[in-house]
Amino acid sequence: QSVLTQPPSASWTPGQRVTISCSGSSSNIGTNTVNWYQHLPGTAPKLLIYDSNQRPSGVPDRFSGSRSGTSASLAISWLQSEDEADYYCAVWDDSLNGVVFGGGTKLTVL
Amino acid sequence: EVRLVESGGGLIQPGGSLRLSCAGSGFTVTSHYMSWVRQAPGRGLEWVSLIYTDGRTKYADSVKGRFTISRDTSKNTLDLQMNSLRAEDTAMYYCARGVLGYTHGSRFDSWGQGTLVTVSS
Repeated sequence: QSVLTQPPSASWTPGQRVTISCSGSSSNIGTNTVNWYQHLPGTAPKLLIYDSNQRPSGVPDRFSGSRSGTSASLAISWLQSEDEADYYCAVWDDSLNGVVFGGGTKLTVL
Repeated sequence: EVRLVESGGGLIQPGGSLRLSCAGSGFTVTSHYMSWVRQAPGRGLEWVSLIYTDGRTKYADSVKGRFTISRDTSKNTLDLQMNSLRAEDTAMYYCARGVLGYTHGSRFDSWGQGTLVTVSS
C-alpha cells in the first residue's frame, strides 16, 4: 500500500488528453513539491516533471503538472503511442523522513 | 555526459549478503544527494535509501537495519551493502542522482539502467 495513491491504469486513444492523479497527505504533497517519472520497465526511469509543474529541458510541452492541497496531477495532451509507459509521482515525506513513490499508473495508448 | 552504471547484482540465498555499486561519471557523487530505488517483479518503484550531500543517510522501513548506503570518494561510486537478504528483496535496483544544489529530495535527474538482485534458494 503506497503512501501516495495513483490509479493503477489508464487507457486512452491517440490525440486525446489524459490526466493522472496522485493523492497524498499533509506530510508529503501538502508540504513538498511533487516530481513525476516516466518508466519503461528494465530501462532507466526518466524525470518528466519537477517541482510540481516544471519540465526538464527536452521534455515536450505536451506534458504538464499541477499541485493543489494534498493532491497532484500529471496531464499529457495530444497523446502519442510513444507515451505508453508507467508513470510515478514522488515526493519527500516529512513524517517518514524519506522519499515516497506512488504505486504507478500504467498508461496504455489504444 | 552524466552516466550511472550499477553492478554487483546476482543470485543470492536468503540470509546472504550482497554489495551493489553505482559508478558515476561526468559528475562528482558527493556533490549530489543520491538514492537507491528498486522495482520488484510486477510491482512499482520503491525508494530504498538516500544519502544526503553531508553524508547523513535515510532508509525505507523495509530495509532499515539490514542495508547500508555509502559513498566511495576515491572511486566516485555509490554503494549499497545488503545483509540478511530476503525473498522480498528480489528486484531491479536502480541508483539515482539528486539534483545539484539541494541536500535531499525526491527529484532525481539521472538514473542508471539497474542491476538485478534475486534472492532465492
